[in-house]
Amino acid sequence: AAGVIQSPRHLIKEKRETATLKCYPIPRHDTVYWYQQGPGQDPQFLISFYEKMQSDKGSIPDRFSAQQFSDYHSELNMSSLELGDSALYFCASSPPGLGGTGELFFGEGSRLTVL
Amino acid sequence: DAKTTQPPSMDCAEGRAANLPCNHSTISGNEYVYWYRQIHSQGPQYIIHGLKNNETNEMASLIITEDRKSSTLILPHATLRDTAVYYCIVRGATSGTYKYIFGTGTRLKVLA
Repeated sequence: AAGVIQSPRHLIKEKRETATLKCYPIPRHDTVYWYQQGPGQDPQFLISFYEKMQSDKGSIPDRFSAQQFSDYHSELNMSSLELGDSALYFCASSPPGLGGTGELFFGEGSRLTVL
Repeated sequence: DAKTTQPPSMDCAEGRAANLPCNHSTISGNEYVYWYRQIHSQGPQYIIHGLKNNETNEMASLIITEDRKSSTLILPHATLRDTAVYYCIVRGATSGTYKYIFGTGTRLKVLA
């Protein structure tokens, strides 16, 4: 079965650079969620989109922005990167109405390293 | 969303049942209890969820107390592959979507 696809899987950037992460949800899923997980930390909710509109916002820095496109894929843009942005970034998707179970389907994550 | 409290770590012998507790004393009537797990740096994986009745699926059982202030996830026959961080999440609906707030889960180590 198709899963959530994230790219790139690994990314290395310098401080003050910009990075873009992409997320392709499972087909027919209309909601996308972004999480950040620092080393030894628990996943922190950043932002979510439902039908291409931002729906919930968590602890996302102002330097970060995200959007969901007409094909439902989403991109997380991070500017003025700081060392503390080094983390695993997970994307998750859910079907319309959460499919009755409320289950989120997570991708394998994108590991960002800021040097 | 209600906060949850879980023990930071637990050990379990392979083949034995693993019982992972979770306290959610401020849960409200329309909030569900969800369990996810994360195996070393992989994406979190859904296990099970419930509202007030006990639930069972192919992965685990979920026991929710009558007052709904706590719950227990049961892995009936733990294997080495069940070693992971287990998260108990109480989820309510916000703006038509359902953000999940991960707290500090329980790091389960299954011992051979």
